[in-house]
Amino acid sequence: QVQLVQSGAEVKKPGASVKVSCKVSGYTLTELSMHWVRQAPGKGLEWMGGFDPEDGETIYAQKFQGRVTMTEDTSTDTAYMELSSLRSEDTAVYYCATAASGPNGDYYFDYWGQGTLVTVSS
Amino acid sequence: SSELTQDPAVSVALGQTVRITCQGDSLRSYYASWYQQKPGQAPVLVIYGKNNRPSGIPDRFSGSSSGNTASLTITGAQAEDEADYYCNSRDSSGVVFGGGTKLTVL
Repeated sequence: QVQLVQSGAEVKKPGASVKVSCKVSGYTLTELSMHWVRQAPGKGLEWMGGFDPEDGETIYAQKFQGRVTMTEDTSTDTAYMELSSLRSEDTAVYYCATAASGPNGDYYFDYWGQGTLVTVSS
Repeated sequence: SSELTQDPAVSVALGQTVRITCQGDSLRSYYASWYQQKPGQAPVLVIYGKNNRPSGIPDRFSGSSSGNTASLTITGAQAEDEADYYCNSRDSSGVVFGGGTKLTVL
């Protein structure tokens, strides 16, 4: 059973950066494909990016390219998502989630962290 | 990137059957997966692939697909099924989510 435990809530000023962590237990990070999904208050889920095992690379949603960096520390089984140049519209709950692949190349997110609220406010 | 379209809200009488749909071009190539989200909680995977349920998901949840439309069916809806439901699929540039459907159980 995979467990994902995320870091605590953050308050940031516009223009700053935030780095959210996601600690894995039950499996090692190298066995998993980690992705990040966010949800603005009262809004739907929005995929930000994650590790594509087919290519062996991290892919980012076009909307966040240049502003987001996803990294992994395999020595501590911790994944990180850093978002820079924050603006008020980035206020959201950020989730890490593990992606599994189906035979059709489908992605589905089978385990989720508890979420980290990032508030961007001056 | 492609889009997935869901009805914003659907209601069902207790014990009745409800179908929640998701439309998009990516569904012609990839199966949708479905997530249930209750207020203040992380999403939970309820259906993936052709029609697979993770361990612990009741068998009243089922999935189907035809053309560019995927459906989540709840047969005999319970009060605890009241939640937001999201579909998602792979697409040409990564992953896409639907806008979500708020299910009310009357």
